[in-house]
Amino acid sequence: GAVVSQHPSWVICKSGTSVKIECRSLDFQATTMFWYRQFPKQSLMLMATSNEGSKATYEQGVEKDKFLINHASLTLSTLTVTSAHPEDSSFYICSATPRSMNTEAFFGQGTRLTVV
Amino acid sequence: KQEVTQIPAALSVPEGENLVLNCSFTDSAIYNLQWFRQDPGKGLTSLLLIQSSQREQTSGRLNASLDKSSGRSTLYIAASQPGDSATYLCAVSGTYKYIFGTGTRLKVLA
Repeated sequence: GAVVSQHPSWVICKSGTSVKIECRSLDFQATTMFWYRQFPKQSLMLMATSNEGSKATYEQGVEKDKFLINHASLTLSTLTVTSAHPEDSSFYICSATPRSMNTEAFFGQGTRLTVV
Repeated sequence: KQEVTQIPAALSVPEGENLVLNCSFTDSAIYNLQWFRQDPGKGLTSLLLIQSSQREQTSGRLNASLDKSSGRSTLYIAASQPGDSATYLCAVSGTYKYIFGTGTRLKVLA
């Protein structure tokens, strides 16, 4: 199957700093990428949908100024957690689909963010 | 708004049992349904993908069925093993989104 690479796999940062997480589709072009957040023992909650060349669509309750998403190319989307606080500590996962939505979604390995 | 629910939320069974995990969704206008496995602290492992035109998919001891009209899918695990212990998630894809279910935490006892 296709590969989606997410980097870094874990990161520890100080409160008030910003953290960037990258999501790359390695062997296919992804017009759409999704960003999810997972709290301990809970399911994945969709944060935003990232479309190449346009602004991301954020789910209700997700602060777009806090979680900046940039989908600059057909193989790369980035999530930047700005002015991170301990409550932003979570597991973040991206996924990407090839051009057509009726195909399988491929997921990154996830990034565990800890804000101290 | 699509809502995906999984029952049961948690399940503990002795090794060797056959078991069924359930997934239901409120909007039947989906492109496909995918089952995943997640080990603690890890990412997702895709198990089976069922496209909307399909009724079931099989891989080894796993069989997933889809009844789109009733908004239901089941994941059948045959002859369960301790290594099957994990959280199982179903997800449905719609026009613009990929929505996950609430998950089932499975523990298979040796």
